[in-house]
Amino acid sequence: AQSVAQPEDQVNVAEGNPLTVKCTYSVSGNPYLFWYVQYPNRGLQFLLKYITGDNLVKGSYGFEAEFNKSQTSFHLKKPSALVSDSALYFCAAPRGGYNKLIFGAGTRLAVHP
Amino acid sequence: SAVISQKPSRDICQRGTSLTIQCQVDSQVTMMFWYRQQPGQSLTLIATANQGSEATYESGFVIDKFPISRPNLTFSTLTVSNMSPEDSSIYLCSVGRDTQYFGPGTRLTVL
Repeated sequence: AQSVAQPEDQVNVAEGNPLTVKCTYSVSGNPYLFWYVQYPNRGLQFLLKYITGDNLVKGSYGFEAEFNKSQTSFHLKKPSALVSDSALYFCAAPRGGYNKLIFGAGTRLAVHP
Repeated sequence: SAVISQKPSRDICQRGTSLTIQCQVDSQVTMMFWYRQQPGQSLTLIATANQGSEATYESGFVIDKFPISRPNLTFSTLTVSNMSPEDSSIYLCSVGRDTQYFGPGTRLTVL
């Protein structure tokens, strides 16, 4: 069965430091993978996606993600965290057609001044 | 990306009542999707709404509880029927082909 896992409930980072939010996947065939961010009292916003090609995907707000097939991972990264990056982050993959998404449990990122 | 709006943005309802949530898209789309996000939880797909046909529900969700309408290619409604406190959630609609884009959500609290 298709699944995505986010092993960390929360990640704490100091402002200006690099951040990583982890995601591992178990999907059949070529994986399509997504990252979304949810700010408090706001909807889900698309950050970036991997379909094929370069393993390093660049997205919105300075975020990027590294696809690693051998480790079945798709970790979200940013070189220098901002306090405004504090939010809930979800990794997702399609299930039964690329429109229907399954989501990881979510990781809450807290960036401290 | 499409611009998606939802109404209401939030509501507080009494148990046993029903609430209809609207989702409006600024362009025509074939499929619209409804998700539920329970407090502190991830998102779960409720159903897929196609224009001109009945919605397709995921395991654990039934039409009597979550009836869906899709009268045209830019609009859909989700009704949460006979509500209980367990229905307190954020309900989101989404559209997209290669990438799903989400509405701002409807935050429902059932007392």
